[in-house]
Amino acid sequence: NAGVTQTPKFRVLKTGQSMTLLCAQDMNHEYMYWYRQDPGMGLRLIHYSVGEGTTAKGEVPDGYNVSRLKKQNFLLGLESAAPSQTSVYFCASRDWVGTEAFFGQGTRLTVV
Amino acid sequence: DAKTTQPTSMDCAEGRAANLPCNHSTISGNEYVYWYRQIHSQGPQYIIHGLKNNETNEMASLIITEDRKSSTLILPHATLRDTAVYYCNPSSGSARQLTFGSGTQLTVLP
Repeated sequence: NAGVTQTPKFRVLKTGQSMTLLCAQDMNHEYMYWYRQDPGMGLRLIHYSVGEGTTAKGEVPDGYNVSRLKKQNFLLGLESAAPSQTSVYFCASRDWVGTEAFFGQGTRLTVV
Repeated sequence: DAKTTQPTSMDCAEGRAANLPCNHSTISGNEYVYWYRQIHSQGPQYIIHGLKNNETNEMASLIITEDRKSSTLILPHATLRDTAVYYCNPSSGSARQLTFGSGTQLTVLP
């Protein structure tokens, strides 16, 4: 049972490049979340999904897009990366009944 | 979700109990109190949760006041590996968003 897996673990992008981060969970959870965490700061919610085919904006959605075509996968896209998007990105999932959330190990993204 | 207030940082001697407080005075009746911790650079990890009664598991104990406006997470015998940021997170089953406050940086000292 892998839980929540994020791919890739590390990435360096040049300004203006695009990329997609993948979050996969094998627990059949309805809710999935993407966060960013800047150095010394807390978790900020980017986008979330409450089920397959749904997405919604969180606290800091600008510059990001998401898709949930399959229940087990939640994709985070950066269309035109900016240095301000340098951060560690965490994905999480939980069941709809409000049980505990499970987090991935993070993706460290650097935009130069 | 209820707003939370936690100390920015706390120290605890190794082997002693660590008591981490959280104020959640605006908590609603259907919100559970969840606690998570984040060890440096890792993904946050669930610790424990409760609604009204005190709870205990292999990691920690959770004490919730009778009026549910505050709670305390207790690590009975803190070790160096318990050094982490601890987040108090009231949440209900109907809540769609899952957001976190700033948490408490607990440093366990040798």
